[in-house]
Amino acid sequence: DIVMTQSPVSLPVTPGEPASISCRSSQSLLHSNGHTYLDWYLQKPGKSPQLLIYLGSNRASGVPDRFSGSGSGTDFSLQISRVEAGDVGVYYCMQALQTPRTFGQGTKLEIK
Amino acid sequence: EVQLVESGGGLVQPGRSLTLSCTASGFSFGDYAISWFRQAPGKGLEWIGFIISGGTTENAASVKGRFTISREDSNGIAYLQMNSLKTEDTGVYYCSRDRRPFGMDVWGQGTTVTVSS
Repeated sequence: DIVMTQSPVSLPVTPGEPASISCRSSQSLLHSNGHTYLDWYLQKPGKSPQLLIYLGSNRASGVPDRFSGSGSGTDFSLQISRVEAGDVGVYYCMQALQTPRTFGQGTKLEIK
Repeated sequence: EVQLVESGGGLVQPGRSLTLSCTASGFSFGDYAISWFRQAPGKGLEWIGFIISGGTTENAASVKGRFTISREDSNGIAYLQMNSLKTEDTGVYYCSRDRRPFGMDVWGQGTTVTVSS
């Protein structure tokens, strides 16, 4: 199984400041078709997960352009350019290259 | 509105069975794969398995032989049949529209399963 490792576990951020979350996979997530099969999800408190980013860097419909994904191979990151109060929750990366689909342990973003 | 709604959760004794439903609306259900996930209390997300359009399924090793995913395209419903339940199966169960590689773009609200004597 592909192991996904996120850091940090907890991320306190001042509103208006940027934030970055790292995600590493135990093997490359590059598909033979040239795309990287890495998603990012946000689970707001008491809510279901919601898709933020797919294929490593593509924003899902309705996701503000404050959110961006980058990386390749085994190293990825999610950046938020200016954190807002509504961004609080747990962020997960998930590899969709192979089954079982596996998640990072999550990064809890909180407002300072 | 594109929507998934899970139902069927509840309290069940270890060793017993339970079937969850995932009812879709607002999109052509038969054209999409459906994935099931779960989240143990205070823990992260775990993929359980999926069923693609056409009915092929795949399950995680942790539930293989105990959980079965099926679908009823005519009614827009996916099912998660859970047998031989264990206390460690306790958690919130989610279904999602699986548009791999474009992500799990629609999620249900979740249904809670508690396995306890």
